[in-house]
Amino acid sequence: AQSVTQLDSQVPVFEEAPVELRCNYSSSVSVYLFWYVQYPNQGLQLLLKYLSGSTLVKGINGFEAEFNKSQTSFHLRKPSVHISDTAEYFCAVSPSTYIQGAQKLVFGQGTRLTINP
Amino acid sequence: ETGVTQSPTHLIKTRGQQVTLRCSSQSGHNTVSWYQQALGQGPQFIFQYYREEENGRGNFPPRFSGLQFPNYSSELNVNALELDDSALYLCASSLRSGARTGELFFGEGSRLTVL
Repeated sequence: AQSVTQLDSQVPVFEEAPVELRCNYSSSVSVYLFWYVQYPNQGLQLLLKYLSGSTLVKGINGFEAEFNKSQTSFHLRKPSVHISDTAEYFCAVSPSTYIQGAQKLVFGQGTRLTINP
Repeated sequence: ETGVTQSPTHLIKTRGQQVTLRCSSQSGHNTVSWYQQALGQGPQFIFQYYREEENGRGNFPPRFSGLQFPNYSSELNVNALELDDSALYLCASSLRSGARTGELFFGEGSRLTVL
């Protein structure tokens, strides 16, 4: 089984400041890792994902994340945020190998990112 | 625009009633996953359908049931509604492997309020 902990429920930052949203996971098997964004009254959109290879992955809208296997973390970063980045961000995991009946994402509880002018 | 449409977008029911939510998947996708997102929480996996068969289920009681049709559209049915069923219900379409590799395309959800 997998679980995801997002360490901050809310993160307020000023426009053009850097931001880091923290995510830790627990799993008995190897996992794939994801960050999704949810804008108000919308569904989820994939920001970036780690499947294999380089532990630093780049996504859309200038976001990047680093997979740290020893610390079981996958923190999301952006060097300079904009008002339009205001949204809810979800970290998620799934097993990296096929497990019958487990083709699903396990999400964290979300971090609300608020950008102040 | 993901090509995944859900209906209705909002609905209000009373405790004990039944509800059906609908999802049309993106063209070419054969897998539909349903998630429940309670207020202030992350989405939780309800179940998944692949080629009209249930292909995995989360920790939800049997009163949550589903269907997938030959055109890969899907329904989520909830019987005997409880107050805690109030949530945003998200449908995601994908190819079968996409459900695990994150290549999921989410609809905007159906917001259910149970009074």
